Amino acid sequence: NAGVTQTPKFQVLKTGQSMTLQCAQDMNHEYMSWYRQDPGMGLRLIHYSVGAGITDQGEVPNGYNVSRSTTEDFPLRLLSAAPSQTSVYFCASSYAPGASGGYEQYFGPGTRLTVT
Amino acid sequence: GNSVTQMEGPVTLSEEAFLTINCTYTATGYPSLFWYVQYPGEGLQLLLKATKADDKGSNKGFEATYRKETTSFHLEKGSVQVSDSAVYFCALIVRQLTFGSGTQLTVLP
Repeated sequence: NAGVTQTPKFQVLKTGQSMTLQCAQDMNHEYMSWYRQDPGMGLRLIHYSVGAGITDQGEVPNGYNVSRSTTEDFPLRLLSAAPSQTSVYFCASSYAPGASGGYEQYFGPGTRLTVT
Repeated sequence: GNSVTQMEGPVTLSEEAFLTINCTYTATGYPSLFWYVQYPGEGLQLLLKATKADDKGSNKGFEATYRKETTSFHLEKGSVQVSDSAVYFCALIVRQLTFGSGTQLTVLP
């Protein structure tokens, strides 16, 4: 049972480069989310999705794009990386609110991104 | 908006000491409350949860009670172990999860 997987684990980018962080889950969860974790700031929501084809912005969406073409995958794209995007990125998934076990989010192991 | 305020760390305790990490929240509607734990180099794991007022969540010796009157969800453990060293996050959910800033706990042998 893989749960939530993320690739890569580590990445170094130069300012202006683009890249995609991958996230996949095998639990048939409707909800998927991307967070960034910065020291002393907890986790902040970047984008989320309530199902295939549906995405919405979270607290800190600027500089990031997402799409959700399948239930399993929810990639996060950085179109032009900036040093302010240096962070640890976590993907999470859960059932829809109200469903049995709903609201409990399952987190991936994270991607540590450095932008120089 | 929704927000979570938790006790600032770091917290350093000796093994077998009593632990309390304070957490208070502000929310519209009726949130569910959570404690997540993050061990070094790993993602977050759900530690315990409570979905309505006066519910007590418990797991691995940790407990927290949903107190609506004081809008609090303090985490407690009677006797901590070295293996409890981690970062602890209080969180609430109405539509999306809102996290506190985390509390680093170090338990010394």
